[in-house]
Amino acid sequence: AQSVTQLDSHVSVSEGTPVLLRCNYSSSYSPSLFWYVQHPNKGLQLLLKYTSAATLVKGINGFEAEFKKSETSFHLTKPSAHMSDAAEYFCVVSDRVSDYKLSFGAGTTVTVRA
Amino acid sequence: DAGVIQSPRHEVTEMGQEVTLRCKPISGHNSLFWYRQTMMRGLELLIYFNNNVPIDDSGMPEDRFSAKMPNASFSTLKIQPSEPRDSAVYFCASSRGEGAIDEQFFGPGTRLTVL
Repeated sequence: AQSVTQLDSHVSVSEGTPVLLRCNYSSSYSPSLFWYVQHPNKGLQLLLKYTSAATLVKGINGFEAEFKKSETSFHLTKPSAHMSDAAEYFCVVSDRVSDYKLSFGAGTTVTVRA
Repeated sequence: DAGVIQSPRHEVTEMGQEVTLRCKPISGHNSLFWYRQTMMRGLELLIYFNNNVPIDDSGMPEDRFSAKMPNASFSTLKIQPSEPRDSAVYFCASSRGEGAIDEQFFGPGTRLTVL
């Protein structure tokens, strides 16, 4: 079975400083990995996805993530946080056997200080 | 495109009552998913439809839960009878293809409170 572990339940950053959200995955096969963002009282929105192409993936709103097989990690970064980045972020892995089935991490809540 | 539409956005009901949640997927999408989000269990897949056919309902908690997709533009999730532990946010999502590689577009969710 596939699973992800988000290492931080809460991250607080100052506006304009870098953001790092950490995610480790467990997979028996080459995984597909995703980051989704959920703003308060909204549905989830896809930020970016890794599907065995380039290991550095660029997403929307200046976010990017790097797939590191040796470390089983898929950390999300952004060079400069904006107030609008305050949200909950989910690292997600798909089950290669049933590839429609997404396994969600517990989520990381990001707060941005002015 | 209006995106995935869910109704109602909020539902408060009493234990034992029937609850029906509704979803309209994005036009042209072949796959539809129902998820439940709680603090304790996070996001869980309840059921997955492809071309209106239920493919995987292994996440449906128990017989009190049922889901239908009578056509490509409409799906319902019904809970009968409802219990307080069913309180959660229920999301509907749709995608173009059959697998997770295709982006899943989520609706805004229905916040259900069972008293």
